[in-house]
Amino acid sequence: DADVTQTPRNRITKTGKRIMLECSQTKGHDRMYWYRQDPGLGLRLIYYSFDVKDINKGEISDGYSVSRQAQAKFSLSLESAIPNQTALYFCATSDHGTVQETQYFGPGTRLLVL
Amino acid sequence: RKEVEQDPGPFNVPEGATVAFNCTYSNSASQSFFWYRQDCRKEPKLLMSVYSSGNEDGRFTAQLNRASQYISLLIRDSKLSDSATYLCVVNLSPNTGNQFYFGTGTSLTVIP
Repeated sequence: DADVTQTPRNRITKTGKRIMLECSQTKGHDRMYWYRQDPGLGLRLIYYSFDVKDINKGEISDGYSVSRQAQAKFSLSLESAIPNQTALYFCATSDHGTVQETQYFGPGTRLLVL
Repeated sequence: RKEVEQDPGPFNVPEGATVAFNCTYSNSASQSFFWYRQDCRKEPKLLMSVYSSGNEDGRFTAQLNRASQYISLLIRDSKLSDSATYLCVVNLSPNTGNQFYFGTGTSLTVIP
């Protein structure tokens, strides 16, 4: 079984709809992250969390919100989806207790906003 | 200026060739360095960490030059399966906030 899972894997939605992307991990890591990836722009950080109920904005948080109610789960919401939020979304985890903190990624959610 | 910059390529090399990628970072306080591999439409996966003294893992060698603020990845005896995008990743500090910065990736295609 994968250590970091994301649901759904693919989603098509319409402008103005609210959607939620879920991330779960079994690695026992305290830190979790949401990124989006667009062609030519690389991975950009949306939000991150160091612990339950800890929330921090990343580079591009506008139009997004997150929730961390449990260590293993970190959800990303688009309150009112718009077409330029069409992207590939990745969740990642890391364990700050390690000497060389490394990120581990989920398989991604491909989102299309019409 | 971007925190991490990579030559996007593409690099098209024949099987068996040696290929090298470089990556530069802007913040001298950066402490941890990594190379990730990303296959098309898949998640990035850790290829190797990069240590100050340089390190090798089979056909892959990573080096760090702190004075010039660049990281390199050398792939020897390229295989078809090495075709992917290689992401350079820099972490300012393991303990103070999320400080992982990703390059946009270098595309490699190994040709039969």
